[in-house]
Amino acid sequence: GAGVSQSPSNKVTEKGKDVELRCDPISGHTALYWYRQSLGQGLEFLIYFQGNSAPDKSGLPSDRFSAERTGGSVSTLTIQRTQQEDSAVYLCASSPGQGSNYGYTFGSGTRLTVV
Amino acid sequence: GDSVTQMEGPVTLSEEAFLTINCTYTATGYPSLFWYVQYPGEGLQLLLKATKADDKGSNKGFEATYRKETTSFHLEKGSVQVSDSAVYFCALSALNDYKLSFGAGTTVTVRA
Repeated sequence: GAGVSQSPSNKVTEKGKDVELRCDPISGHTALYWYRQSLGQGLEFLIYFQGNSAPDKSGLPSDRFSAERTGGSVSTLTIQRTQQEDSAVYLCASSPGQGSNYGYTFGSGTRLTVV
Repeated sequence: GDSVTQMEGPVTLSEEAFLTINCTYTATGYPSLFWYVQYPGEGLQLLLKATKADDKGSNKGFEATYRKETTSFHLEKGSVQVSDSAVYFCALSALNDYKLSFGAGTTVTVRA
């Protein structure tokens, strides 16, 4: 597509439930990133996929968080047993190659609210 | 670790005013520096970048100069418009790294 697409745009869930967030990157972009934007804070790196290489999961805050990227395209971020501190905007970005100088293209994000 | 500190907002200006958003960084080596902008209801977009000392990035009337001696990358625009109302993020990455470290963002509102 023309841009990075994320769904849903908003998600309200009850504490303890699992959620899945989806990201469709720009076609042909080999690199895909997930970031989290909490209220009043900057963006926090979560995970990075590059081609067929093993993902960099070093930013995932706990083992309740996981992500996969199928066929080198669509990615799903899963949060199990959600907690209130998971409430944030989850942003996905893609870029045509490795290295930040390529420039990221971000999606509009998924606003997650855990009640 | 690498980090970015940018001035807190919100910043409210009148049209045609001069805008400066301060950004300083802490990093080992010589990082690349970026400004991203998030317009209401949209995703972040790369506004400009600089990859080495004394480089000036520019776009849409905005400029920022990479100052190694002061570890700064301040964003400036000489005459803002209502359409410049957005959240501005300063960011850095180590050379050839893929991770970006972002500042907290500065909300700018321009009034007609």
